[in-house]
Amino acid sequence: NAGVMQNPRHLVRRRGQEARLRCSPMKGHSHVYWYRQLPEEGLKFMVYLQKENIIDESGMPKERFSAEFPKEGPSILRIQQVVRGDSAAYFCASSPQRPGRVATDTQYFGPGTRLTVL
Amino acid sequence: AQSVTQLGSHVSVSEGALVLLRCNYSSSVPPYLFWYVQYPNQGLQLLLKYTTGATLVKGINGFEAEFKKSETSFHLTKPSAHMSDAAEYFCAVIRFQGAQKLVFGQGTRLTINP
Repeated sequence: NAGVMQNPRHLVRRRGQEARLRCSPMKGHSHVYWYRQLPEEGLKFMVYLQKENIIDESGMPKERFSAEFPKEGPSILRIQQVVRGDSAAYFCASSPQRPGRVATDTQYFGPGTRLTVL
Repeated sequence: AQSVTQLGSHVSVSEGALVLLRCNYSSSVPPYLFWYVQYPNQGLQLLLKYTTGATLVKGINGFEAEFKKSETSFHLTKPSAHMSDAAEYFCAVIRFQGAQKLVFGQGTRLTINP
């Protein structure tokens, strides 16, 4: 059973360009989470999605950032008009979350995408 | 609101010595608590978690942690450090109701001296 997959592993963009980060959850997992790790800091929650629904986006910056998890295909974190402060490692996690088991399911993390903005 | 505090951003121990990584949390409701390990340029791997029941939790690679409600702590220990334990360790908390976002501490980088 393959783990959480993220691509690309490394992404370099110039200021003003768009960055698209992809996450394929573990097989059978229908819940996806995105976290950002700035240099020398812990991970910060960004957004929680289920298929075709954004459940909690309280950690997403108000502008330039968006996320989706379509019915088919991977989850996408999109950053428009990137700035140097967006340079970070972006981690995706997934969980199965069976009904009635809110918050007890382990989140399984992918290897991350390291974004560098020049 | 929840927060997680890891005391000591860097911890260094000798191979074979006790490993103790400290984590304190604040939460208005009983939390679920997690320890994750991150090796260089990799994602996070779950070491152990506390949800309910026994307060002493055993995890992978010989690690364990004890939930102490009176001290709001969830310290991670390992009796004898191995060189392969060198990594960054993150303590995290999650509400048992509401959104499932993990709130992470700042991390503790563990160095093992030969």
